[in-house]
Amino acid sequence: KAGVTQTPRYLIKTRGQQVTLSCSPISGHRSVSWYQQTPGQGLQFLFEYFSETQRNKGNFPGRFSGRQFSNSRSEMNVSTLELGDSALYLCASSLGSNSNQPQHFGDGTRLSIL
Amino acid sequence: LAKTTQPISMDSYEGQEVNITCSHNNIATNDYITWYQQFPSQGPRFIIQGYKTKVTNEVASLFIPADRKSSTLSLPRVSLSDTAVYYCLVGDMSVIKAAGNKLTFGGGTRVLVKP
Repeated sequence: KAGVTQTPRYLIKTRGQQVTLSCSPISGHRSVSWYQQTPGQGLQFLFEYFSETQRNKGNFPGRFSGRQFSNSRSEMNVSTLELGDSALYLCASSLGSNSNQPQHFGDGTRLSIL
Repeated sequence: LAKTTQPISMDSYEGQEVNITCSHNNIATNDYITWYQQFPSQGPRFIIQGYKTKVTNEVASLFIPADRKSSTLSLPRVSLSDTAVYYCLVGDMSVIKAAGNKLTFGGGTRVLVKP
């Protein structure tokens, strides 16, 4: 079974631009969560989608948004990019949102802001 | 959601057992405890998950005391390839939980396995 796929793997943008990252979950998984990972902050939760609905949201500004499609694929958008947005963005999928259903992560998109 | 505390780093040698303890004093009734392994430039890889007592799979064991305020990941007979960062995650991803809950991984434990 294919794992979680994230595209692109690497991305370079400049301040003020916007970016869209894509995540394809494991087949059959309906929950998709997004995380930001930076050396100083570790993994921080952005938001979670389940059946096209945002279920949980982390403490990030409104510049960070996402959506989920009917096939469970998800996209994350960041507008008006700032230097501090440089990070590894990870997507994780699980069968559902229950805590006994572990998340499986992709290898992430490394976003660099110049 | 429960805040977790882990040691920043641990060193070990090939063939030894490595035990990493995670403290989560504010764990809630519905929270599960999950451990992940992460290598540089890769996403975290699921290792093991448990709710109470002891859970064992082909790669690790997880020990959870009765009060559930801590948990210990045990890696038997580590090899050089087990050098990685290990994260303890405690939380409830239930669909009925109100929006606004935050789920944050702790800083992780950097395990270095030496020859």
